[in-house]
Amino acid sequence: DTAVSQTPKYLVTQMGNDKSIKCEQNLGHDTMYWYKQDSKKFLKIMFSYNNKELIINETVPNRFSPKSPDKAHLNLHINSLELGDSAVYFCASSKTGTGNEQFFGPGTRLTVL
Amino acid sequence: SQQGEEDPQALSIQEGENATMNCSYKTSINNLQWYRQNSGRGLVHLILIRSNEREKHSGRLRVTLDTSKKSSSLLITASRAADTASYFCATDTTSGTYKYIFGTGTRLKVLA
Repeated sequence: DTAVSQTPKYLVTQMGNDKSIKCEQNLGHDTMYWYKQDSKKFLKIMFSYNNKELIINETVPNRFSPKSPDKAHLNLHINSLELGDSAVYFCASSKTGTGNEQFFGPGTRLTVL
Repeated sequence: SQQGEEDPQALSIQEGENATMNCSYKTSINNLQWYRQNSGRGLVHLILIRSNEREKHSGRLRVTLDTSKKSSSLLITASRAADTASYFCATDTTSGTYKYIFGTGTRLKVLA
């Protein structure tokens, strides 16, 4: 069974479009994250949710809107896509609190044309 | 500059050799973790070391932490071709809301 799953795996779209990426975890974790990995492999946290509440928002443009319908799901909606949004987006989950390993999804490669 | 910076950025060794990667960070931490990322895949947790620990082992992995120098090293002994991947350190800072900040990664290539 896949612990952290993301859909879609690949997403190719035109500038200006709106798209969503979905994430689900079956580990029973309370905390979920979205990361962006750029072409230089630098991994940067975007958002973190704990029990459906936003706890970290790393000055991400407000075109990015996360939504957590329940603690097993954390979706990412992106409005008015720009070329610079092209990257691999990773979802992750962990138990609440410091010192817990994060479990990562397989990533969604977003290409904006 | 980054909270976590690994060096070298890239490392190429022969199978059977040891690989050492270093991570430096800037602020005080609660703990430091190392992750591996195979090409095109998500990150996989390898090992965690807490700020009050100096060394930790897990199989062929050995991690050290020097909080006075704000640095950590990951040693992979007797490397295998399957160890080819990027390796990232992640620090959990003590300041503000806890979150993990990932370093820039070391790309390791193990030649068979």
